[in-house]
Amino acid sequence: DSGVTQTPKHLITATGQRVTLRCSPRSGDLSVYWYQQSLDQGLQFLIQYYNGEERAKGNILERFSAQQFPDLHSELNLSSLELGDSALYFCASSVALDSKGGNTIYFGEGSWLTVV
Amino acid sequence: GENVEQHPSTLSVQEGDSAVIKCTYSDSASNYFPWYKQELGKRPQLIIDIRSNVGEKKDQRIAVTLNKTAKHFSLHITETQPEDSAVYFCAPLWGKLTFGQGTILTVHP
Repeated sequence: DSGVTQTPKHLITATGQRVTLRCSPRSGDLSVYWYQQSLDQGLQFLIQYYNGEERAKGNILERFSAQQFPDLHSELNLSSLELGDSALYFCASSVALDSKGGNTIYFGEGSWLTVV
Repeated sequence: GENVEQHPSTLSVQEGDSAVIKCTYSDSASNYFPWYKQELGKRPQLIIDIRSNVGEKKDQRIAVTLNKTAKHFSLHITETQPEDSAVYFCAPLWGKLTFGQGTILTVHP
């Protein structure tokens, strides 16, 4: 168990709908990252928050948004869902802003999203 | 931009053989070099890491070697077992949030 908690574990929804994925980082971790992994794809970085503020943005679609709350949990909102959004969405956390000091990142179990 | 390349993209070995996966990066500022293992449908897990002041690190059957001059580091797995079958990712540019594209390792019994 990495200590990173993601809910829901599985989600099936229809095209055009909106969903929210939730992440609780490890105790004491200030950074939260969101990744998307489609079938046979690598880990695509979406966005990072550090202590409530957005710190880095990757290939995140405009239909997607995220936030980190004062208690450090984070939510990823996916709207106007398309079939191609079906993927495994990972949240990860680390103590520091980045790993250049050797700070390990820990992944949650992921949220499987299926858009039908 | 920053580049991370892993080779090979797929690797098939017989149980008991050794496996080596190489990761090449472009950012000379990188000073932390982790390897993650991801089993099908599961989360990536850190299996070994190395910092830039060390050339090699070993943990039982796995080891990582680093060549900072050439900007590459490698994962070595000895005496492979079927449970080593997974996708392996390097993330040398973690500060830039970049993972390699992954190497699918298959260990045949």
